[in-house]
Amino acid sequence: GAGVSQSPSNKVTEKGKDVELRCDPISGHTALYWYRQRLGQGLEFLIYFQGNSAPDKSGLPSDRFSAERTGESVSTLTIQRTQQEDSAVYLCASSPGSGRVQETQYFGPGTRLLVL
Amino acid sequence: KQEVTQIPAALSVPEGENLVLNCSFTDSAIYNLQWFRQDPGKGLTSLLLIQSSQREQTSGRLNASLDKSSGRSTLYIAASQPGDSATYLCAVRSGTYKYIFGTGTRLKVLA
Repeated sequence: GAGVSQSPSNKVTEKGKDVELRCDPISGHTALYWYRQRLGQGLEFLIYFQGNSAPDKSGLPSDRFSAERTGESVSTLTIQRTQQEDSAVYLCASSPGSGRVQETQYFGPGTRLLVL
Repeated sequence: KQEVTQIPAALSVPEGENLVLNCSFTDSAIYNLQWFRQDPGKGLTSLLLIQSSQREQTSGRLNASLDKSSGRSTLYIAASQPGDSATYLCAVRSGTYKYIFGTGTRLKVLA
C-alpha cells in the first residue's frame, strides 16, 4: 500500500515568509510525528499526534512553529516568518499507535526547506 | 535526559569487508532501540528493532546487538557491498512514544 507522503519535496523561500508543509500518513495510523534534520545532524523531535489526544508540542523550537492534524489523516506544519536557521529537512513519520514495544515508525521522504 | 551518540561519524571501507557501527545511550530505561538507514533525498527505512528484553536481532547480513546495562548497541554488517552506502541512524525509544536519534554514521563502501 501507499507509504507516508510529504509535499512539497523541496521549498525555497525568502526570509520572513510563511511556509506550510504537508504530511499524508499511512491510512489507519493514529500516531504521527514531525522531525527536523539539519545538515549533518540527527533527527530533532518537533511534535507528536496520537488520535484525538492533545499533541505533544514540546519539541517545537519557537512560537513561529505550529502544526495541525485533521482527525487521523493529513497534518500540516507551518513555519511563520521563516529564518535562515529554519533551513533543514522536515521529516514526517507515522505508526499504528498501538504503543506496543515492537512498533516502528514509517517515514516520508521529507521536505527540504531552504530559507534565503 | 536521554542522549544518543554514534561513532564513527563517517566510515569508508572496501567492498567485502565486515564492519561495526556503534551507538551509545545515556539512560538504560528504554522500550526499544532501532537501527535505520537513510539514503540521500529519502526518508528513513527501519532495518532492525531490538526490544529492551532482547539481546540481538538479525536480518540477512545485518546483526544488531543491545547491551542495555552498558547503554550500547552495535550494528554489524557482513560482507559489505556498494549498495550498503548510506547513513545509518540509531534511535532509542524512551517512554511510550518518544524517539531520540543519534547523529548517524555515514558509510561509504568502495567497489
